[in-house]
Amino acid sequence: NAGVMQNPRHLVRRRGQEARLRCSPMKGHSHVYWYRQLPEEGLKFMVYLQKENIIDESGMPKERFSAEFPKEGPSILRIQQVVRGDSAAYFCASSPSLGGYNEQFFGPGTRLTVL
Amino acid sequence: DQQVKQNSPSLSVQEGRISILNCDYTNSMFDYFLWYKKYPAEGPTFLISISSIKDKNEDGRFTVFLNKSAKHLSLHIVPSQPGDSAVYFCAARPSNTGNQFYFGTGTSLTVIP
Repeated sequence: NAGVMQNPRHLVRRRGQEARLRCSPMKGHSHVYWYRQLPEEGLKFMVYLQKENIIDESGMPKERFSAEFPKEGPSILRIQQVVRGDSAAYFCASSPSLGGYNEQFFGPGTRLTVL
Repeated sequence: DQQVKQNSPSLSVQEGRISILNCDYTNSMFDYFLWYKKYPAEGPTFLISISSIKDKNEDGRFTVFLNKSAKHLSLHIVPSQPGDSAVYFCAARPSNTGNQFYFGTGTSLTVIP
């Protein structure tokens, strides 16, 4: 049973370009979460999605960032017009259900570098 | 607003001794707490959890203690092994939201052989 998969593992973009980060949850998981880890900081929640629905985007910057989890295919975190401050590790996690206590399973992360 | 705090950025322990990692939180709505372990260039992996109805949970060498009145939890690793060297993150989930986790900033544990 494959774990959470993220690609690319490393992404380099110039200022003003777009970054698209992909996440495939574990098989059987329908909940996806995106976190960002800036240098020397912990993981900061960005957005929580279920298939075709954004459940909680309270951690997403208001501009340039968007996320989706379509009916088919991976979840996508999209950053438009990237700036140097977007350089970070972006982690995706998935969980099987909301009810009860469920840990989240993390992918290996995508390291975004903005030149 | 850091609702989960790990005030020790690093900790060094001799192999075989006990490692104690601490975590403090401010939100009284947190009802589920977890510890994650992270190696460089990898994602965090789940280690152990505890719900707010308990004060202790044990899994092999790992024990998590929860003191709700002090809003404090700790992770004990005994005996510590060199393979335990990693960054440990404390996380908490409030009961009044979905499944959003709040993470601490991490403690880097080094176990010296």
